[in-house]
Amino acid sequence: QLQLQESGPGLVKPSETLSLTCTVSGDSISSTSSYWGWIRQPPGKGLEWIGTIHYGGSTYFNPSVRSRVTMSVDTSENQFSLKLRSVTAADTAVYYCARHFGNDLYHAFDIWGRGTMVTVSS
Amino acid sequence: DIVMTQSPNSLAVSLGERATINCKSSQSVLYSSNNKNYLAWYQQKPGQPPKLLIYWASTRESGVPDRFSGSGSGTDFTLTISSLQAEDVAVYYCQEYYETPPTFGHGTKVEIK
Repeated sequence: QLQLQESGPGLVKPSETLSLTCTVSGDSISSTSSYWGWIRQPPGKGLEWIGTIHYGGSTYFNPSVRSRVTMSVDTSENQFSLKLRSVTAADTAVYYCARHFGNDLYHAFDIWGRGTMVTVSS
Repeated sequence: DIVMTQSPNSLAVSLGERATINCKSSQSVLYSSNNKNYLAWYQQKPGQPPKLLIYWASTRESGVPDRFSGSGSGTDFTLTISSLQAEDVAVYYCQEYYETPPTFGHGTKVEIK
């Protein structure tokens, strides 16, 4: 079955760039016409959608981070990635990758990675 | 952005009793062209990612026990656990996917009384 796994540094310095990758296993990222999202959760707090990328490369971002975020897809590696620039302590969170249900941007997230904790600190 | 407001923040329910969680959106999430409510419910246990329980406000995800049910339309929604089990202890979130950015409620913590 389809599985997602986040990877990347657990510690990032303030003002630097947070870079995470989500590896998709169990199916080809380009065969499903799916939309792939990033969601984060600060410690003890709720969930915030960061953005979504379609396997074809179209991107959709939360206005709260739009000026600082980039997403990309690497179909050869079956991965998609997140880059968040100029991070501050407020970006400290568990970062999840997830798939939109039904190959539809306007749908719930049905499959989630286990999440990776990223701490912004010097 | 659509603001999702959940109530209560937490509740304690005896095993086998009913648990009810409410979610209100700041604007309607009912899409008139297909008559669907763009509303989902998730369960999150400590140290785990959220798990999709309900979508389209009332459609149970495959494998979700039928003691979980969703109802409501427009701006007011409810998640009901008909007979609380020990494994249902978790935080529950509603989410609208009517527009971007999709937004989540702040969560409701369910515990055993």
